[in-house]
Amino acid sequence: QQQVKQSPQSLIVQKGGISIINCAYENTAFDYFPWYQQFPGKGPALLIAIRPDVSEKKEGRFTISFNKSAKQFSLHIMDSQPGDSATYFCASPRSNYQLIWGAGTKLIIKP
Amino acid sequence: SQTIHQWPATLVQPVGSPLSLECTVEGTSNPNLYWYRQAAGRGLQLLFYSVGIGQISSEVPQNLSASRPQDRQFILSSKKLLLSDSGFYLCAWSVGASGVRFYEQYFGPGTRLTVT
Repeated sequence: QQQVKQSPQSLIVQKGGISIINCAYENTAFDYFPWYQQFPGKGPALLIAIRPDVSEKKEGRFTISFNKSAKQFSLHIMDSQPGDSATYFCASPRSNYQLIWGAGTKLIIKP
Repeated sequence: SQTIHQWPATLVQPVGSPLSLECTVEGTSNPNLYWYRQAAGRGLQLLFYSVGIGQISSEVPQNLSASRPQDRQFILSSKKLLLSDSGFYLCAWSVGASGVRFYEQYFGPGTRLTVT
């Protein structure tokens, strides 16, 4: 069964630091890799996504970098803020309109 | 703009009782619809997805079922709840069109189900 391996499981970063979350996939049905952000008690929300015709995508303080040959992609959060404290999920497309989800990373930004 | 509604927000049900959770989407037509379950502190488990009225695919065999009686309505049901059915149930939708948008999923606020 296809998997997406996400690491670390949890991460504590000082305010102003860089948060880095990594994902590795086995195969993908479509070249599109999203990241979702979930706050406690809420549904996940699409944060940022990349298509691997580019190696990097940046939106504000959030950057996705992608290594197609290694089948890895990562999320970088620059100048991390307490409001970024949440659980982050990466995902990879599977056939039949589905996403294969990583297990999630609980990020805590210390003030 | 599109919005997705789920209700109820929280639910406490005894073991063996029935379940019905409802999800509706506004502002789009022919969406793909999904039901997920999330255990406390865990990832997302896909339960069912639907690409059209009456078309339901099941990912995990269990005592849950899903139905799509209308284009933008998705219902999750059970005849007899188990303790293991407790969790956070999330409905999501994506655009029913080709390309990347198939995979951009948008989630509802969720239903917190506790089976006692």
